[in-house]
Amino acid sequence: DVKVTQSSRYLVKRTGEKVFLECVQDMDHENMFWYRQDPGLGLRLIYFSYDVKMKEKGDIPEGYSVSREKKERFSLILESASTNQTSMYLCASSLRIGGAYEQYFGPGTRLTVT
Amino acid sequence: AQSVAQPEDQVNVAEGNPLTVKCTYSVSGNPYLFWYVQYPNRGLQFLLKYITGDNLVKGSYGFEAEFNKSQTSFHLKKPSALVSDSALYFCAVRDRRAGGYNKLIFGAGTRLAVHP
Repeated sequence: DVKVTQSSRYLVKRTGEKVFLECVQDMDHENMFWYRQDPGLGLRLIYFSYDVKMKEKGDIPEGYSVSREKKERFSLILESASTNQTSMYLCASSLRIGGAYEQYFGPGTRLTVT
Repeated sequence: AQSVAQPEDQVNVAEGNPLTVKCTYSVSGNPYLFWYVQYPNRGLQFLLKYITGDNLVKGSYGFEAEFNKSQTSFHLKKPSALVSDSALYFCAVRDRRAGGYNKLIFGAGTRLAVHP
């Protein structure tokens, strides 16, 4: 079974803090993704990575950065957290090229910024 | 523009009745389509996908989906609903602009409520 784990299920941070969300997958997948999920908006892609040290902006990258130093680990960084970044954050992984490989998701981190 | 629409925010069904959760898509070329389910406070779980071939796709937990190219739809179905099927359901299509990186475009989600 593919396993994608996220470092925290719930997180409460203050405005202006630097926040790190960690994601680890154990299936040797090349692709990793960070989404945020908000009611009525579905999942929106923040960043994705297709290889170590490689990253691409998604649809809503503003206010976020990412890091992928090892294949199994993909970190999402909020440089200076703001209240409008309160959301559910989901990490996913998949095989890289070709076919139509489904994405596997972690349990999510519910972040509250006060 | 590529997109996925789930026209119903919520679907209510009595236990034992058939259920349908609707999805329509807009994408150039042949679509790769997916359904995911999200139980409360959990991540998304893959249910099924359509790539090519038979228009009726079978997936996990007794769910199936019917691909209809002329109507650009990929509705999720189950012959007999269970209370435990109550969850949030997402339809997704592979982003063909993404150079094969297997990015997905998700719909807004439909909440399914199955009543005893």
